[in-house]
Amino acid sequence: SQQGEEDPQALSIQEGENATMNCSYKTSINNLQWYRQNSGRGLVHLILIRSNEREKHSGRLRVTLDTSKKSSSLLITASRAADTASYFCATEGGSEKLVFGKGTKLTVNP
Amino acid sequence: ETGVTQTPRHLVMGMTNKKSLKCEQHLGHNAMYWYKQSAKKPLELMFVYNFKEQTENNSVPSRFSPECPNSSHLFLHLHTLQPEDSALYLCASSLGGATTQYFGPGTRLLVL
Repeated sequence: SQQGEEDPQALSIQEGENATMNCSYKTSINNLQWYRQNSGRGLVHLILIRSNEREKHSGRLRVTLDTSKKSSSLLITASRAADTASYFCATEGGSEKLVFGKGTKLTVNP
Repeated sequence: ETGVTQTPRHLVMGMTNKKSLKCEQHLGHNAMYWYKQSAKKPLELMFVYNFKEQTENNSVPSRFSPECPNSSHLFLHLHTLQPEDSALYLCASSLGGATTQYFGPGTRLLVL
């Protein structure tokens, strides 16, 4: 299946540290997106990276994409307690549908 | 918060009840989506509407019935649900295709 799979499932760090989350997928994609979800709320789009891009930045976020390894990573630098949330990758492989992974639950301790 | 609203935010219903979930987007988007989010499972796409036409029904049981009267409104009618249907139901909208989706806050549904 095309479904992305995030790793690790849960991550706990101290404020100020960097957090890295990984996403692996199985089939070719047109783009990969990262979303954030605070507990029990809707998802918020963070960043979209196209299949012909290798790296993208947005504020404290850095996303990389390696299509040869079918993987992506999301790096949050200088984390804050407010970054505590679940993070999901979503892939689109030509069907115009997004397929989401199970997510990584990030806890940033003050 | 995004320009996608959902009501109600919480709903408790019995298995014989009929209820409806409502979603409204103020973003001028053409596509709207219903997702189901259960604990420890990936987000599941249920239905997709493009320009009011249903373009995707992801093998959803008939006890879930979507309705899209216009590009700004989307409903999910619920009838004779099962306890395993308890979940967070999320609505999203987009310009269509594989573009960014904007999510509402969700409706937390509990079926007793």
